[in-house]
Amino acid sequence: GIQVEQSPPDLILQEGANSTLRCNFSDSVNNLQWFHQNPWGQLINLFYIPSGTKQNGRLSATTVATERYSLLYISSSQTTDSGVYFCAVEGTTDSWGKLQFGAGTQVVVTP
Amino acid sequence: DGGITQSPKYLFRKEGQNVTLSCEQNLNHDAMYWYRQDPGQGLRLIYYSQIVNDFQKGDIAEGYSVSREKKESFPLTVTSAQKNPTAFYLCASSMGYNSPLHFGNGTRLTVT
Repeated sequence: GIQVEQSPPDLILQEGANSTLRCNFSDSVNNLQWFHQNPWGQLINLFYIPSGTKQNGRLSATTVATERYSLLYISSSQTTDSGVYFCAVEGTTDSWGKLQFGAGTQVVVTP
Repeated sequence: DGGITQSPKYLFRKEGQNVTLSCEQNLNHDAMYWYRQDPGQGLRLIYYSQIVNDFQKGDIAEGYSVSREKKESFPLTVTSAQKNPTAFYLCASSMGYNSPLHFGNGTRLTVT
């Protein structure tokens, strides 16, 4: 199946800093999503972005499908941005519905 | 408010007992999913259902069973055959093909 690698595994930021999280995948995809899991375990869908660029407030994401990677940008980070960020993909050869999750990037934003 | 409800939030069982986790959605989504998360790890797909009365095994279906008799409900049974059932279980739903996935708040199952 498709492989998903996220980097870095851990990130410590001071409040106000900017950061970039990366998701590499091993094959062509027709579905790519970014999620944020807060410290209480709740998972929120941030972006559905199989290609192109999207922005939502201080967060933005870019997927370059031809080069098999996606980037999540966090600008002016806040303590509420802490948690784990997951990238999930569905390969073009998989049956739909089988999103494969990466191991995540643990982000800690300090005041 | 539309959403996905998982109950209970915490569940404790003795080894050898089957246990059923509830998942209900009022988003009118066709597709529903069950994922398992172990500490410090990503999510792994247990079962998914694209339509009522149909479901497929995910990557780690052994020791689990599901049913999809109603569009809004997708219960997961953790059987005694599951060797390491203690985990965080997350239910999700989506409108279908290539659409965003939305999660419930999860059930933490502890088996001793």
